[in-house]
Amino acid sequence: SYVLTQPPSVSVAPGKTARVTCGGTNIGIKSVHWYQQKPGQAPILVIYYDSDRPSGIPERFSGSKSGNTATLTISRVEAGDEADYYCQVWDASSDRHWVFGGGTKLTVL
Amino acid sequence: QVQLQESGPGLVKPSETLSLTCTVSGGSVSSYYWSWIRQPPGKGLEWIGYIYDSGSTNYNPSLKSRVTISEDTSKNEVSLKVRSVTAGDTAVYYCARHHFIAATGTGWFDPWGQGTLVTVSS
Repeated sequence: SYVLTQPPSVSVAPGKTARVTCGGTNIGIKSVHWYQQKPGQAPILVIYYDSDRPSGIPERFSGSKSGNTATLTISRVEAGDEADYYCQVWDASSDRHWVFGGGTKLTVL
Repeated sequence: QVQLQESGPGLVKPSETLSLTCTVSGGSVSSYYWSWIRQPPGKGLEWIGYIYDSGSTNYNPSLKSRVTISEDTSKNEVSLKVRSVTAGDTAVYYCARHHFIAATGTGWFDPWGQGTLVTVSS
């Protein structure tokens, strides 16, 4: 089955830029979606279709892809951005189901 | 706007059936795709399956033999049943609206319910 690989953790100082990566075979031809999950809360969608932001999500959140890696970029990081971030795609193989990455814990120093 | 609320027993015995309900407000269950997703304590997210068109379903192959998702349009509810549960089924269970784009097969989940913790233990 399809596997999405994320780094377990990323640390960044306030005001700096955080980049969370998501790797997968041929991810360049898939649409990647990103979720933010704060402790004790349900995930919320922050990026869909690789780089689109739902209404209410700050412009500081952006998405991109290059080669076999998708990246969630958070500019001017704030303390409130500390959370787990998950990428997600559709597995078009014989399994044909939706797959999440293992998640990345973003720590704001 | 659509809001989701999961409900059901918080404790289920091994080998029994886990049953949860997702009540939808602000929209009709018959108008959208709906998914169930779970998250074991301290771990990542796992898609369980979805339902649409009042009865068409698609399940994660790893759970397909034990899972049933159904809809009750009169109550505007989506339900999940997981049979023959083990401790490995202990998780927070979420329902979410599934934005499925048939032309490309992609899809994302938004919004999510607050989730409900189900513990499998005797």
